[in-house]
Amino acid sequence: DIQMTQSPSSLSASLGDRVTIACRASESVDRYVNWYQQKVGKAPTLLIYAASSLERGVPSRFSGSGSGTYFTLTITDLQPGDFATYYCQQNIGLPLTFGGGTRVEI
Amino acid sequence: QVQLVESGGGLVQPGKSLRLSCAASGFTFWTHAMHWVRQAPGKGLEWLAVISHDGSDEHYADSVKGRFTISRDNSKNTLVLQMRSLRPEDTALYHCVRGHESGDHFFGTWGQGTLVTVSS
Repeated sequence: DIQMTQSPSSLSASLGDRVTIACRASESVDRYVNWYQQKVGKAPTLLIYAASSLERGVPSRFSGSGSGTYFTLTITDLQPGDFATYYCQQNIGLPLTFGGGTRVEI
Repeated sequence: QVQLVESGGGLVQPGKSLRLSCAASGFTFWTHAMHWVRQAPGKGLEWLAVISHDGSDEHYADSVKGRFTISRDNSKNTLVLQMRSLRPEDTALYHCVRGHESGDHFFGTWGQGTLVTVSS
């Protein structure tokens, strides 16, 4: 199975900050990585798919990059609604696997 | 409006069975692969199973293979997860999830989940 490792597991940030979350795959997943945001008590929502494609309706403050085994999610101009947990996920093969999550808090 | 509503969760004893259902609406159900993903309390996301749009193909995580069965009824826009031989570690919020329009194996729309608690 492909392991997805996120770092850091949590981070503190302030409004207006730029934050970057990393996700490393245990083997190459090409660009088959997606990013989700989960707010407390809510289901996850898709932010980025195929490493860098922005899901419809997601603000352009969110961006993704990477290929192979290393990927990043960057959030610029951090807004109050961005304080949440973020997960990466690979879909190059089954079983589908998620990273452990990164909690972004004030 | 795309909507996925899970039901069937509850408290169940170890070793028993439970059947979860997901009612889909607001989209053409039979054209999308469907998944179950769970989240244990305070933990991360775990993918469990996928079924193809026509029900001809299924895949499972090792943690549930042989115990859980995913199925669908396209005439009723319903997804089902039959769970057997439940264990305490199966305690989680179970989400029904639609495959994305651009790819079957990532997740476009999530239900709010149904809670399964396995305890004696």
